[in-house]
Amino acid sequence: AQTVTQSQPEMSVQEAETVTLSCTYDTSESDYYLFWYKQPPSRQMILVIRQEAYKQQNATENRFSVNFQKAAKSFSLKISDSQLGDAAMYFCAQLEETSGSRLTFGEGTQLTVNP
Amino acid sequence: KAGVTQTPRYLIKTRGQQVTLSCSPISGHRSVSWYQQTPGQGLQFLFEYFSETQRNKGNFPGRFSGRQFSNSRSEMNVSTLELGDSALYLCASSLEGAPLSPLHFGNGTRLTVT
Repeated sequence: AQTVTQSQPEMSVQEAETVTLSCTYDTSESDYYLFWYKQPPSRQMILVIRQEAYKQQNATENRFSVNFQKAAKSFSLKISDSQLGDAAMYFCAQLEETSGSRLTFGEGTQLTVNP
Repeated sequence: KAGVTQTPRYLIKTRGQQVTLSCSPISGHRSVSWYQQTPGQGLQFLFEYFSETQRNKGNFPGRFSGRQFSNSRSEMNVSTLELGDSALYLCASSLEGAPLSPLHFGNGTRLTVT
């Protein structure tokens, strides 16, 4: 069975600084995908970034980048130049190739951005 | 394009009752999936529908059911409500379903069972 673990229930960062959120996962599959989602108080889950397991290159989306360590089954999210609007609950999620839309989520990390 | 619309936003029900939640996907999207979010269990997959057929099902009791209509709108039903069913129910739509297409989530329906 898949598991996704986020060991940091809460994190805080100063505006304009950089913060890294941790995530580890476990799967026996070779084809899978990893995601970071953001859930602000509006409750809507917003896709931040996506990584295909077969790609060695780390995904990047503007200020957001990941450090994907396949052998260690680690998938951390780095937010650079943090902004007040980045404050939210962040979820790491995994999807196996044959699972359709069945995402497995981690417990979440509540990120606070201090002005 | 309008986003994923879930109705109602809030719902209060009594134990033993049943409830129906609605999800209207983004126009053109054929896949709709449902998730339950609780403080204790986190986010858990309920089921996915694609072109009116259930494609995937999570580990929930038979009291949880769903369906999808020809216009891709989806409903989920929970019968014989229990206190533990209190949760945020999130719906996500996708053009072809993950991983081919990204999931777009709605704002959820907050269900409170008293």
